[in-house]
Amino acid sequence: DADVTQTPRNRITKTGKRIMLECSQTKGHDRMYWYRQDPGLGLRLIYYSFDVKDINKGEISDGYSVSRQAQAKFSLSLESAIPNQTALYFCATSDLQDKNNEQFFGPGTRLTVL
Amino acid sequence: GQQLNQSPQSMFIQEGEDVSMNCTSSSIFNTWLWYKQDPGEGPVLLIALYKAGELTSNGRLTAQFGITRKDSFLNISASIPSDVGIYFCAGHKLREYGNKLVFGAGTILRVKS
Repeated sequence: DADVTQTPRNRITKTGKRIMLECSQTKGHDRMYWYRQDPGLGLRLIYYSFDVKDINKGEISDGYSVSRQAQAKFSLSLESAIPNQTALYFCATSDLQDKNNEQFFGPGTRLTVL
Repeated sequence: GQQLNQSPQSMFIQEGEDVSMNCTSSSIFNTWLWYKQDPGEGPVLLIALYKAGELTSNGRLTAQFGITRKDSFLNISASIPSDVGIYFCAGHKLREYGNKLVFGAGTILRVKS
């Protein structure tokens, strides 16, 4: 079984709709992250969390919000989706004890906003 | 924000050839990580480097942590079709970035069989 899972894997939605992407992990890690991947831009950090109810903005947080109500779950919301939020979204986790911050990624969610 | 310069952006090589890609930065890092992303999947860690000058291998992959701590390279020997994917470098420096990683833009590898 996968250690980091994301749902849905694919989603097509319309401009203005509210969307939630879910991430769950069984690794027991405290730290969780949401990234966005666009061609030629690599992975850009949206939000991250180091503990339950701890929320920190990444480099591209505008237009997004997150919730960390449990250690194993970290959800990403787009309150009012727009076409330039069409991208591949990845959740990742890392271990509090790992000073080198090796991160483990989920399989991704492909989001298309029409 | 801080970016890593990863090159080349893409490569199209013959099966059996050796491949080399690198990442450079204007800042120093304490850790360099190399990830591979297969089509339709999330990135998976290939090699982690923790000390300047360190040379580490993982099968046909070899990576080095540059002496200046501002660069790293990844070599793949005798490429095969399953090497296809996107390779990302990532740097970590606890004092400046907390527990975040800085990623390069990726190198897309395509192999001709």
